Amino acid sequence: ELKVEQNPLFLSMQEGKNYTIYCNYSTTSDRLYWYRQDPGKSLESLFVLLSNGAVKQEGRLMASLDTKARLSTLHITAAVHDLSATYFCAVDRGAGSYQLTFGKGTKLSVIP
Amino acid sequence: GAGVSQTPSNKVTEKGKYVELRCDPISGHTALYWYRQSLGQGPEFLIYFQGTGAADDSGLPNDRFFAVRPEGSVSTLKIQRTERGDSAVYLCASSRTNTGELFFGEGSRLTVL
Repeated sequence: ELKVEQNPLFLSMQEGKNYTIYCNYSTTSDRLYWYRQDPGKSLESLFVLLSNGAVKQEGRLMASLDTKARLSTLHITAAVHDLSATYFCAVDRGAGSYQLTFGKGTKLSVIP
Repeated sequence: GAGVSQTPSNKVTEKGKYVELRCDPISGHTALYWYRQSLGQGPEFLIYFQGTGAADDSGLPNDRFFAVRPEGSVSTLKIQRTERGDSAVYLCASSRTNTGELFFGEGSRLTVL
């Protein structure tokens, strides 16, 4: 059974600071996704990482994937209040499976 | 439409009642997914359609849950004899291919009293 673990689950940080959210998964997969969810809203796709060593950046967020370590990171640079949301990583089992297994999410609060 | 549309956005029902939740995917997306999200948790996979057929329904919790997509576009998730434990947000997503990026709707919040 594929398990996806995120840490931390809760993160409170000051504006301007840097931090990293970690996503570990238990079985081999070459596809990992990061989503953002605001309260009461849909999940918004942030990054799709499709190979070992993949790195993608959008604004203050950068995501990377190490398939050998079964680890993805979401790095936040110089946080701003607008980044406050819950961030989910999700792993595709691959091999013809189209299910995404999600982590529990990291609730980020950026304090002015 | 521009995005995945789900109706109703909120549904309150009594234990034992029948419920239907509708999903209208992004035009041209052949793959459609249903997920369920409980409070404080990540979404959990329920069922995946490729076109009209359910390619994988292994996430449906029991036979009270059923989903259809008769014309390969709109899908309906049907829940019979609802139980309090069915209360959750039911999310629909679609993608252009079966390995592509998923686009989620805003969900249908189901509350079973």
